[in-house]
Amino acid sequence: NAGVTQTPKFQVLKTGQSMTLQCAQDMNHEYMSWYRQDPGMGLRLIHYSVGAGITDQGEVPNGYNVSRSTTEDFPLRLLSAAPSQTSVYFCASSITPTGFYEQYFGPGTRLTVT
Amino acid sequence: AQSVTQLDSHVSVSEGTPVLLRCNYSSSYSPSLFWYVQHPNKGLQLLLKYTSAATLVKGINGFEAEFKKSETSFHLTKPSAHMSDAAEYFCVVSDRAVEYGNKLVFGAGTILRVKS
Repeated sequence: NAGVTQTPKFQVLKTGQSMTLQCAQDMNHEYMSWYRQDPGMGLRLIHYSVGAGITDQGEVPNGYNVSRSTTEDFPLRLLSAAPSQTSVYFCASSITPTGFYEQYFGPGTRLTVT
Repeated sequence: AQSVTQLDSHVSVSEGTPVLLRCNYSSSYSPSLFWYVQHPNKGLQLLLKYTSAATLVKGINGFEAEFKKSETSFHLTKPSAHMSDAAEYFCVVSDRAVEYGNKLVFGAGTILRVKS
């Protein structure tokens, strides 16, 4: 199993540009989520999905969209990039939505918005 | 609402000495608690988890943590630090009463430095 994969690893955007961060998992996990990591703030939940066709907002959803058309894929879209979205983005997946199980994290995408 | 406080942003130890990374949590319900480790420029890896079984939890690489409900703490320890333990460590709480969302709440992280 490849686990959780993310592309690209690095990205530089100009303010106002849009892009999609890709996330895929091959473990047949129901639950997938996106976090952003900023220094001194740990990881904060952006959006999550409890299954194909179902998504919901996390703690910091503004400026981001998600969709989940398949179990495997959970892309994160930045609609109009802003410097405040400079961060490291992690995708994660878990067997079920409940809190018993660990989440598996991808390697991250480092995004810089100039 | 859940919250996690990691009491030290940086901890420095000498190789071969004990490690203590402190974590206090707040949760309305019976929580699941996790410690994750992140090595530089890498993703996060699970070290150990508590989900209401034994209060002393053993994890990978010789780490363990004790769940103390009366103190709302979940401190991470290791008897003898190794150079490869240098990384950032995150204490995480998840509300097991929540049916959907598995919303993990992360502490701010503790950077562990190991001196030779």
